[in-house]
Amino acid sequence: AQSVTQLDSHVSVSEGTPVLLRCNYSSSYSPSLFWYVQHPNKGLQLLLKYTSAATLVKGINGFEAEFKKSETSFHLTKPSAHMSDAAEYFCVVSGSGTYKYIFGTGTRLKVLA
Amino acid sequence: GAGVSQSPSNKVTEKGKDVELRCDPISGHTALYWYRQSLGQGLEFLIYFQGNSAPDKSGLPSDRFSAERTGGSVSTLTIQRTQQEDSAVYLCASSLSQTNTGELFFGEGSRLTVL
Repeated sequence: AQSVTQLDSHVSVSEGTPVLLRCNYSSSYSPSLFWYVQHPNKGLQLLLKYTSAATLVKGINGFEAEFKKSETSFHLTKPSAHMSDAAEYFCVVSGSGTYKYIFGTGTRLKVLA
Repeated sequence: GAGVSQSPSNKVTEKGKDVELRCDPISGHTALYWYRQSLGQGLEFLIYFQGNSAPDKSGLPSDRFSAERTGGSVSTLTIQRTQQEDSAVYLCASSLSQTNTGELFFGEGSRLTVL
């Protein structure tokens, strides 16, 4: 079985400072891991995904995430926050060869001017 | 269109009425998912289609909920005798792949309010 835990429901950062959104997962199989972003009243958009290739994954808008098997983590980072990054972020896990995607409860990122 | 299209974008209904929510996936995407997003909650899986068949309906919360997909394309989620707890945003997603490595493409959702 797979599960995912987003450790912070809300994160506030100042514009220009680093962003760290934390995600831990549990999976019986080699997982695929994703980060999605949802802006207000919009659908979800893929930021990046890990599917057993390079452990450091680069995504859109300057975001990246590192797959750490020993820590069962897949934290999302960005060196410098921009006002447009304010949104809800979802960490997602899916088990090998399955169709099921398990979503975390989300982290709302607030960017302060 | 190029993306996943959902309609209506907003629906306000009275308790006890039936509602239909429509999803038009990206052309050629065989996998289709319905999720429910309640205020402040994550995404709750409802149902998965592969082509026209639904091998996993385990997330449908009650027998008032049903869904179908025709022609391997458009899907309709129907909620009968709506209740206030059905109020949520219903999101549809489609994927080219039927395995876990494919990206899910989401529509903008249908916001349902049951009075």
